[in-house]
This record gives sequence, C-alpha cells and structure tokens, in this order.
Amino acid sequence: SQQGEEDPQALSIQEGENATMNCSYKTSINNLQWYRQNSGRGLVHLILIRSNEREKHSGRLRVTLDTSKKSSSLLITASRAADTASYFCATDSSGSARQLTFGSGTQLTVLP
Amino acid sequence: DAMVIQNPRYQVTQFGKPVTLSCSQTLNHNVMYWYQQKSSQAPKLLFHYYDKDFNNEADTPDNFQSRRPNTSFCFLDIRSPGLGDAAMYLCATSRALTGGQETQYFGPGTRLLVL
Repeated sequence: SQQGEEDPQALSIQEGENATMNCSYKTSINNLQWYRQNSGRGLVHLILIRSNEREKHSGRLRVTLDTSKKSSSLLITASRAADTASYFCATDSSGSARQLTFGSGTQLTVLP
Repeated sequence: DAMVIQNPRYQVTQFGKPVTLSCSQTLNHNVMYWYQQKSSQAPKLLFHYYDKDFNNEADTPDNFQSRRPNTSFCFLDIRSPGLGDAAMYLCATSRALTGGQETQYFGPGTRLLVL
C-alpha cells in the first residue's frame, strides 16, 4: 500500500499565483522528500526535509513537515508555466533505510 | 556531468518476447533501483541492489528479473512481457547512508510498449 497520499490530485492555477500541495503518510519516517516529474520524463529531486525539521526553503519552494499529523506541504510561490509537472512526495519508513515510497502525486498545471 | 542513463528511451516488443532494459550511472552510487510507473500513477519499486545484494519486492512478478554486473550497470529483464507490462521503467541510484534514505537520482526512463 502507498505510504503517501497527496491532495489535490490535480491543480490548475494562473502564472504568478502560488501553488500548495499536501502529502499525508502513515508510518514514522526519517525524512520526507519532494520530487518533480515532467511528462514522460524521470523524476527530479526538489527538496528533502528531515523528521526533526519543521520547515525548509529552496528558491521558490517552501516545504513544511508536521510529524504529529504525519503530513507535509509543498508551496511553490510565483508559479511559472515551466512549473507545470507532476509533484510526488516520498517517504522512507524508519525500518527500511534504503527505500522510498511515493505518494500518488499532484498534477500541477500553470496557465500562462 | 554525473548522471543516470537509460537506454533505449523507447522500446517496442512483442507479447511474450524477452526484453532487456539498461541503466548505467556515473555517480558511483552503491544502490540502484528499478521502478515501474504506469500512466498517472506513482512509481512502484520492483527491486533494488545494495552493492551486489539483490532485494526483490514481495509483489514483483517472477517475470521481472535484474542483473548488476558491476557498480555502474544494472539491467531489467522481462522474460515474457504481457500487455499489462507496458509502462515507463525508471532506474534510480542513491548512496546508502545510515539514518535514512537519501536522495534518489533518476534516469529519464524507458517507455515500454508491448504489441
């Protein structure tokens, strides 16, 4: 079964707006990661947040982690058409140090 | 640039005809993974190698096998492809560290079509 579930499944916004995607997971983690996938391509790592961190920034990306609620959010500020992609959260369960389990993904469309 | 390479990008095979997908890496990572991803779904881990140690997921069909002859190369063999095996196959690598899974680096994927 999938560790992570994301919502919304699809999100459509105008260029310049902010996009927020949420991820929930079920078991304890060491860290949570966000990946991006352009259509028909491989995944690209965006950001990693460890279980003892609450917030992390990277450029226009802001990730939060609430381990008490087993949830994370990814915020993309000032979105661009080039941000159109699928975004996946991925968790490592603390019992398996070498594997990630991916969420179902959010398809983001940024309209020019 | 250090990277993960997958060949070919597109592979067409016939129902039941064995096919091999290739992955190579220049990152010198000790862990390599194979994922299957169907349309609009999350990547699903098939198996991974930790150095030469092969780790199969419990629900990976016997039809799927893998070889890792050296650190740089890893192959996915599908012995008798069925129509349901048509998917994107993603190879990824990572360093194995203590304290949790680190970043995985993905290749561009091979899209498999079964006729």
